[in-house]
Amino acid sequence: NAGVTQTPKFRILKIGQSMTLQCTQDMNHNYMYWYRQDPGMGLKLIYYSVGAGITDKGEVPNGYNVSRSTTEDFPLRLELAAPSQTSVYFCASGLVVRNEQFFGPGTRLTVL
Amino acid sequence: TQLLEQSPQFLSIQEGENLTVYCNSSSVFSSLQWYRQEPGEGPVLLVTVVTGGEVKKLKRLTFQFGDARKDSSLHITAAQPGDTGLYLCAGLNRDDKIIFGKGTRLHILP
Repeated sequence: NAGVTQTPKFRILKIGQSMTLQCTQDMNHNYMYWYRQDPGMGLKLIYYSVGAGITDKGEVPNGYNVSRSTTEDFPLRLELAAPSQTSVYFCASGLVVRNEQFFGPGTRLTVL
Repeated sequence: TQLLEQSPQFLSIQEGENLTVYCNSSSVFSSLQWYRQEPGEGPVLLVTVVTGGEVKKLKRLTFQFGDARKDSSLHITAAQPGDTGLYLCAGLNRDDKIIFGKGTRLHILP
């Protein structure tokens, strides 16, 4: 199993550009999550999904959108990139909410 | 807003020393997890504690969940350079939402 994979690993965007961060898991997990990690700030939940077709906002959803058309994929969309969205983005998955979350390697995004 | 406060924020000690880091909240959590994150990688689960007062050991690491399920500690005995990393606690609240602390950045000097 590859676990949780994320692409790209690094990306530089200009203000106002859009992009999609890809996340795929091959563990047949119901729950998937998107977090951002700013320096010294821990992890903040952006969006999460409890299954295909179901998504919900986390703590910091503004400026982002998600979709969950399949169990495996949970892409994160940035429509109008802003410097405040410069961060490291982690995707994670888990079988149920109380269990371990498996994290991807992260995407480092810089918005200039 | 429920918060998990981790202390200390940074800790740098010599190899072989013992240390304890803390995760505190004013709120009750139904379970609490500890993760370790190394540079350039995602966090990896170390342990989950569920019962108030529970103690779990993972080799030289000892985790304790407070009796009231509001706090937790991680004790490392005879720290080694391989223990270096960011230690994150994460609590599951009554709304089934996971809250992460900001982490303790640990550096073990050889």
